[in-house]
Amino acid sequence: LAKTTQPISMDSYEGQEVNITCSHNNIATNDYITWYQQFPSQGPRFIIQGYKTKVTNEVASLFIPADRKSSTLSLPRVSLSDTAVYYCLVAAYSGAGSYQLTFGKGTKLSVIP
Amino acid sequence: DGGITQSPKYLFRKEGQNVTLSCEQNLNHDAMYWYRQDPGQGLRLIYYSQIVNDFQKGDIAEGYSVSREKKESFPLTVTSAQKNPTAFYLCASSSITDVAEKNIQYFGAGTRLSVL
Repeated sequence: LAKTTQPISMDSYEGQEVNITCSHNNIATNDYITWYQQFPSQGPRFIIQGYKTKVTNEVASLFIPADRKSSTLSLPRVSLSDTAVYYCLVAAYSGAGSYQLTFGKGTKLSVIP
Repeated sequence: DGGITQSPKYLFRKEGQNVTLSCEQNLNHDAMYWYRQDPGQGLRLIYYSQIVNDFQKGDIAEGYSVSREKKESFPLTVTSAQKNPTAFYLCASSSITDVAEKNIQYFGAGTRLSVL
């Protein structure tokens, strides 16, 4: 399974754009890049996923270069409620239509007023 | 109201006791998963099941057991063989057949298990 490397922590002021970069050097052809958000004592919440290039939804954008060895989660205009741990995952195909997620320690984002 | 329900929210285990954590989903998902999270750490996979009456060990299955008798339910038993059970336990599910969602896991609110 592909391992990921991301910064342990980041600080940002309210209203700024935050970019969290993750490296996944041994990603396989069938793997997807997925990001989750987790608040204390809650289950992780799916944010966004992508395979290549750029994906955007109502909460974030995901940028993936052509070699797919890294990805960047972009959160526009963060607020205090965005303070959480963000996990970069590679969803690895494990057969029979199923994917496995491998969680690292994530990036603890602290938004400052 | 669709989702994944874990119960209880808090659970206490006595020495030598087996305890069972409940996980129910009404999302009609085929695959279900159990993870363990220790303070300041990521999630580690305990067991997963892709279909009823079948399940596979994850990275840290020792001291745990599961069953999958119904599609909606995937209970986890923490046995007395698990010597360090204090952790936050998370259940998740995913669709295998929905192409747009097949690699997205949806999580419950978790059960916090402590040893007395």
